[in-house]
Amino acid sequence: AQSVTQLDSHVSVSEGTPVLLRCNYSSSYSPSLFWYVQHPNKGLQLLLKYTSAATLVKGINGFEAEFKKSETSFHLTKPSAHMSDAAEYFCVVRVNSGGYQKVTFGTGTKLQVIP
Amino acid sequence: KAGVTQTPRYLIKTRGQQVTLSCSPISGHRSVSWYQQTPGQGLQFLFEYFSETQRNKGNFPGRFSGRQFSNSRSEMNVSTLELGDSALYLCASDKTSGSYNEQFFGPGTRLTVL
Repeated sequence: AQSVTQLDSHVSVSEGTPVLLRCNYSSSYSPSLFWYVQHPNKGLQLLLKYTSAATLVKGINGFEAEFKKSETSFHLTKPSAHMSDAAEYFCVVRVNSGGYQKVTFGTGTKLQVIP
Repeated sequence: KAGVTQTPRYLIKTRGQQVTLSCSPISGHRSVSWYQQTPGQGLQFLFEYFSETQRNKGNFPGRFSGRQFSNSRSEMNVSTLELGDSALYLCASDKTSGSYNEQFFGPGTRLTVL
């Protein structure tokens, strides 16, 4: 079984301050982990992914995430928030078990950026 | 390279009707997955098709079905619509099934059931 927990449903930051969106996961298998962003009325766009290579993953738009196996976490960070970062962010676990994939989405974190 | 396309973008139906949604994956991608997104339940996996075969299925009633054609285009059908089926339906494509690549998502079809 696998699960994803996004610890905050809403996060509010001021423009120019750091962003931290938290994600914890559980999985019986070695997972791949992803962060996607969804702007209003848009589809999901991949920010970054972890697939058992480097534990610190850099993504688009200045975002990065660190895979910490001991803490079963994959938190998303950005040093300085921009107004355009206001969106909903989803942490995703994907497992390949016997050739079948299982994808589990977190419940999402809405990021508000205050000018 | 064209992205994932979904048609129609918006749809309004009444209870009891049926609906068919279409998804065209990125050229060369053979896996298509469908998701339902609602404010209450979030993003939930419906099913995945690969090479015209259903590879994986989420926990949805049999009213939800799908198929994939030889050109990898996929359709999703919902019969006997209920109010709770109102949602954003997202389609995602991938090169293969069960890979560790990312899925590429389409813009979604917004279904409203009255």
